[in-house]
Amino acid sequence: DSGVTQTPKHLITATGQRVTLRCSPRSGDLSVYWYQQSLDQGLQFLIQYYNGEERAKGNILERFSAQQFPDLHSELNLSSLELGDSALYFCASSSRTGAIDTGELFFGEGSRLTVL
Amino acid sequence: GEDVEQSLFLSVREGDSSVINCTYTDSSSTYLYWYKQEPGAGLQLLTYIFSNMDMKQDQRLTVLLNKKDKHLSLRIADTQTGDSAIYFCAESPLSSASKIIFGSGTRLSIRP
Repeated sequence: DSGVTQTPKHLITATGQRVTLRCSPRSGDLSVYWYQQSLDQGLQFLIQYYNGEERAKGNILERFSAQQFPDLHSELNLSSLELGDSALYFCASSSRTGAIDTGELFFGEGSRLTVL
Repeated sequence: GEDVEQSLFLSVREGDSSVINCTYTDSSSTYLYWYKQEPGAGLQLLTYIFSNMDMKQDQRLTVLLNKKDKHLSLRIADTQTGDSAIYFCAESPLSSASKIIFGSGTRLSIRP
């Protein structure tokens, strides 16, 4: 058990809909990362928050947004869903503060999104 | 740019050594990592190497770093069935704040 909790574990929805994925980081970790894992594109970095503020951004679509709340949990919002958004979405937390920090990423078990 | 590349599949016989290779593009990367993903689970850190090191050994795992060629490898000695998993190489580019870039993963399967 990594200490990172993601809900829901599985989600099936239709194209055009909007969903929210939730992540609770390990106790004490200020950083939260979101990754998308799909069969054809591997593990893609989406976005990172540190103590409530956006720290780094990757290949995140404009239809997607995220935030980190004062209690440090994070939500990833996916809207106008398309078939190609079907994937496993991972949240990871860390005590990392920068690139010179070795801090390990602790991954949740992921939220599997299926768009029909 | 930031890109990490790995081959997608590797099959080895039980008891043999497995060597998983990775190339990365950002020479500013400070740390390079190997993560393991078992079926139905999230990724877990296996080991990491600092960019000024050439080699790191940890029990059955040996990491080799060729900084000139931007090539990283993970050797697993005496591969066991429990080593079946997807192995991800990752880099931490100094130029990209604190984000970590992962490769697409290499699926290691073990033959009896």
